[in-house]
Parts: sequence; structure tokens; C-alpha cells
Amino acid sequence: AQSVSQHNHHVILSEAASLELGCNYSYGGTVNLFWYVQYPGQHLQLLLKYFSGDPLVKGIKGFEAEFIKSKFSFNLRKPSVQWSDTAEYFCAALDRGSTLGRLYFGRGTQLTVWP
Amino acid sequence: SQTIHQWPATLVQPVGSPLSLECTVEGTSNPNLYWYRQAAGRGLQLLFYSVGIGQISSEVPQNLSASRPQDRQFILSSKKLLLSDSGFYLCAWSVAGYYEQYFGPGTRLTVT
Repeated sequence: AQSVSQHNHHVILSEAASLELGCNYSYGGTVNLFWYVQYPGQHLQLLLKYFSGDPLVKGIKGFEAEFIKSKFSFNLRKPSVQWSDTAEYFCAALDRGSTLGRLYFGRGTQLTVWP
Repeated sequence: SQTIHQWPATLVQPVGSPLSLECTVEGTSNPNLYWYRQAAGRGLQLLFYSVGIGQISSEVPQNLSASRPQDRQFILSSKKLLLSDSGFYLCAWSVAGYYEQYFGPGTRLTVT
């Protein structure tokens, strides 16, 4: 079965620091990849997605992610974080070979940004 | 635009009592519907999914069941709650196919 790994469970940064959150998936076939974010007290919402084409995708609030097929990775980046980026971030992969398109989530990374 | 509702927002129930959590989606037809449980540090666990009325698939055998009585309504139930059923339950929908899922606000269930 496919799995998604997020290696950082809790990341603490100061404002203006650069961010990179790691995500690796295990499936070798065609996948759609996502980053979701959950701000304190809010819904889980989509940050960005990759289906095909340019492996560098840009999302909301200045976030971007790069799909590297050879490394089975889809790392999330932001050049300069803000206090308002404090949230939990989830990487997810969707197996396009399945009949449903099952979404597999990583365990999440809690990002804390100090002002 | 599409919206997804879940209720109740929070629920405290004694062990052995029944459970019914409801999820409804507005603004779309024939969505795929999902129930997840979110545990701290463990990501999201898919419990059930449905591709149509009356069509339910279970991912994890457990004390819970799901039903889809209407196209845009998804219900999570239990006849007798266990302590281990405590958690944060999320409903989600997607366009049929291989697209992103959209999540509801969730229900915090505490079994005492």
C-alpha cells in the first residue's frame, strides 16, 4: 500500500526564516500530490497541488512545492515565513491507479513561527 | 460555490451510547464522500468512502458504520461507543475522479 512520510513532526522558526518541509511518498505509479494546511481552529484547507506538468507548483500565501519524481518527494517551501503561518501542514498523495483515487496522508508537521 | 457542513461541532458521549454524526454538501452533485478520523501526530485515517447513494466502502474494520441516504448526505454511526472512538472526525468531498478533497469543520467526539 502507498504511504506518505513527513519527517519533521514539529518545526520552530523565527519570522523571516526560510521554510522547507519534507514529504516522501512510496508509490511508484502516477500520483497526484497535495499539501493541506490546518490553521488553529480552522478547516483543513488545500495549500497547493500537483497533477502534471511543471514540477514546481505555487500555492496560496507564497508557498511552493517541488515534485522530484526520482526522489519520490514533494517538499513544501516558503522563502520567508510569517507568524500567521503557524499551523499544521499535511502532505497527501492520491493514487491514480486505484478505482477511487484514494488519498494517503502523512502524519503532519506542526509549524510554530515566533514573531 | 460548494460548502460542506458537519454537526455537531463537539460531542461528549458515555461509553456504550449510540452515535450519529452528519455531513452534508451543498453546491455539487454526485460527489465522492469520505469520513476520516484525525489523531494528534498520526495524520488522517480514512474510515469510509462513498461514490454514490447507498454505496459505502469501509477502510478499517471497527465499531463504526456509515450510510449515505441522499446524494449529498453522509452519516457516521455507532450502536455502542467505545473509549477508543474518541477523536476528531472529518468529512470530506471531492469531484468524482482523482481530484483534491475538501474538508468540513470536523466534530470533536469525547467518549467518557
